[in-house]
Amino acid sequence: ILNVEQSPQSLHVQEGDSTNFTCSFPSSNFYALHWYRWETAKSPEALFVMTLNGDEKKKGRISATLNTKEGYSYLYIKGSQPEDSATYLCAFGAAGNKLTFGGGTRVLVKP
Amino acid sequence: DGGITQSPKYLFRKEGQNVTLSCEQNLNHDAMYWYRQDPGQGLRLIYYSQIVNDFQKGDIAEGYSVSREKKESFPLTVTSAQKNPTAFYLCASRDSDYGYTFGSGTRLTVV
Repeated sequence: ILNVEQSPQSLHVQEGDSTNFTCSFPSSNFYALHWYRWETAKSPEALFVMTLNGDEKKKGRISATLNTKEGYSYLYIKGSQPEDSATYLCAFGAAGNKLTFGGGTRVLVKP
Repeated sequence: DGGITQSPKYLFRKEGQNVTLSCEQNLNHDAMYWYRQDPGQGLRLIYYSQIVNDFQKGDIAEGYSVSREKKESFPLTVTSAQKNPTAFYLCASRDSDYGYTFGSGTRLTVV
């Protein structure tokens, strides 16, 4: 079973502040790295699918970077808002298209 | 609107009984997946299917069974052999170049 770690497990952020958190994954047999946002009582929603080393993706105030050689990805939230409160999941995809999920980072943005 | 429907939202099962969780999608996706979430843990893969009439065991398949007779449907049966079935179950499907689309989940409780 592959090891995908997310840190920290939870994060409290003041509204307006920026924050970032990490996903680490095996650096071998890499195919894709996914990020999902999961709000309470809703379905996880895909944010990014990243496949190339050095890739950077952006969606509004949320962006992500990828380093496949050292096995990590960062997710950044700029100017956090209360609606950004959610659990952010990363998932490592090896060949064969199965995803292995990390435990998630729970973000709470305080007004 | 296209999406994934999981039913029921909440399910109670007596010990020793089998129970089947429904997952239906109208996205025309070939691949479908079942994940389980326990408190404080990430999503763990139970079974997946890349095409109709074919499915593969995931990391925690013991005590579960699936079928894939139609492209739209991927039901999961939790059998009496599953030692600790109380959990949150998520179904997902995948388009080739994008992230997974998830259902809203079924919370199963053994009473």
